[in-house]
Amino acid sequence: DADVTQTPRNRITKTGKRIMLECSQTKGHDRMYWYRQDPGLGLQLIYYSFDVKDINKGEISDGYSVSRQAQAKFSLSLESAIPNQTALYFCATSDSGASIGYTFGSGTRLTVV
Amino acid sequence: AQSVTQLGSHVSVSEGALVLLRCNYSSSVPPYLFWYVQYPNQGLQLLLKYTSAATLVKGINGFEAEFKKSETSFHLTKPSAHMRDAAEYFCAVSEEAGTALIFGKGTTLSVSS
Repeated sequence: DADVTQTPRNRITKTGKRIMLECSQTKGHDRMYWYRQDPGLGLQLIYYSFDVKDINKGEISDGYSVSRQAQAKFSLSLESAIPNQTALYFCATSDSGASIGYTFGSGTRLTVV
Repeated sequence: AQSVTQLGSHVSVSEGALVLLRCNYSSSVPPYLFWYVQYPNQGLQLLLKYTSAATLVKGINGFEAEFKKSETSFHLTKPSAHMRDAAEYFCAVSEEAGTALIFGKGTTLSVSS
């Protein structure tokens, strides 16, 4: 099994629908992140969490919310999806220690029509 | 605030030629620096990382990068390009171990025969 698992891998949804992207990890890392990737813009940080009780907004949090259900689970929700949220979404984890390593999931490709 | 600038959104080289992808960073503290590669329709793969040890960092697939504090740069090089190197490359920075990575906008490398 992958260290960081994202579900679903692909999703097409309609404008105005609520959708949740899920991320689970087996790395035992404290810290988890959500990024979105758009062509020509690189990866932009949406939200991050340093532990279950710590949630922080990133560069582009408007229109998104997150839930850290457990150390291993970090979900991203789009309360009312809009077409410009069509993107590739990545979840990532890191250790709070000095190992300085990040593990990325395989991504969720979301299309809002 | 930390930031990353990748000069050149698209770089084209011939097979066998030198690859040079440029990355400049802005950080108030000595940073941790990373290069990732993304092949078409795939996730992110770590090429190499700088964590304040040796300034010349060797990575996978023949790539290396040199940290130059005076120039605030971390350029990625490979002596001889191969067709399989065609991909998108991202430079990223974090100011502390385990904090959020901030990515550049990416450089697409094309390799022609």
